[in-house]
Amino acid sequence: DAKTTQPNSMESNEEEPVHLPCNHSTISGTDYIHWYRQLPSQGPEYVIHGLTSNVNNRMASLAIAEDRKSSTLILHRATLRDAAVYYCILRVYNNNDMRFGAGTRLTVKP
Amino acid sequence: SQTIHQWPATLVQPVGSPLSLECTVEGTSNPNLYWYRQAAGRGLQLLFYSVGIGQISSEVPQNLSASRPQDRQFILSSKKLLLSDSGFYLCAWEGSFQETQYFGPGTRLLVL
Repeated sequence: DAKTTQPNSMESNEEEPVHLPCNHSTISGTDYIHWYRQLPSQGPEYVIHGLTSNVNNRMASLAIAEDRKSSTLILHRATLRDAAVYYCILRVYNNNDMRFGAGTRLTVKP
Repeated sequence: SQTIHQWPATLVQPVGSPLSLECTVEGTSNPNLYWYRQAAGRGLQLLFYSVGIGQISSEVPQNLSASRPQDRQFILSSKKLLLSDSGFYLCAWEGSFQETQYFGPGTRLLVL
């Protein structure tokens, strides 16, 4: 299975942008890149996903490298409510398997 | 709108006792359903998934089992709990396009 590598933790200041990196050097052509986040004591929450092109939604932006071997989740203005563990996941389209790694624990400082 | 329910929210059980956790989804038909477990401080481990009534796929061999008696009901069971079964159990659903999984509030299980 294609795997992802993320830093264990990152810190950000409130109202500043945050760039969360993810490496997936063994990604295949059918793997979509998904991001979820998990707030303390809650289930994960979908953030964004993409295949090749950069994606934007109301929560975040996803920048995908041209060779697709890495991606970056961008929170444009971090708030205290964005403190969570962020998971980068590769998922083959139409496949039920979605494997979570350890993720990146984001701390947001006021 | 769709909602997903799990109960109980927390559970403390002795080793060797049975387990039954229930997950129900409202507002959608024929969802794919998933059970995950999260040990303390760890990522999520996929346990079971189901694409339809009576159809269960197991990802990890263990003393747990799952059943889907109705379209929007997913049950996680055990005949005899082990200490290692402690964790945060999460149910999730997704639609037929398999783009996004929506997670329930989870059940925190402590086996003593």
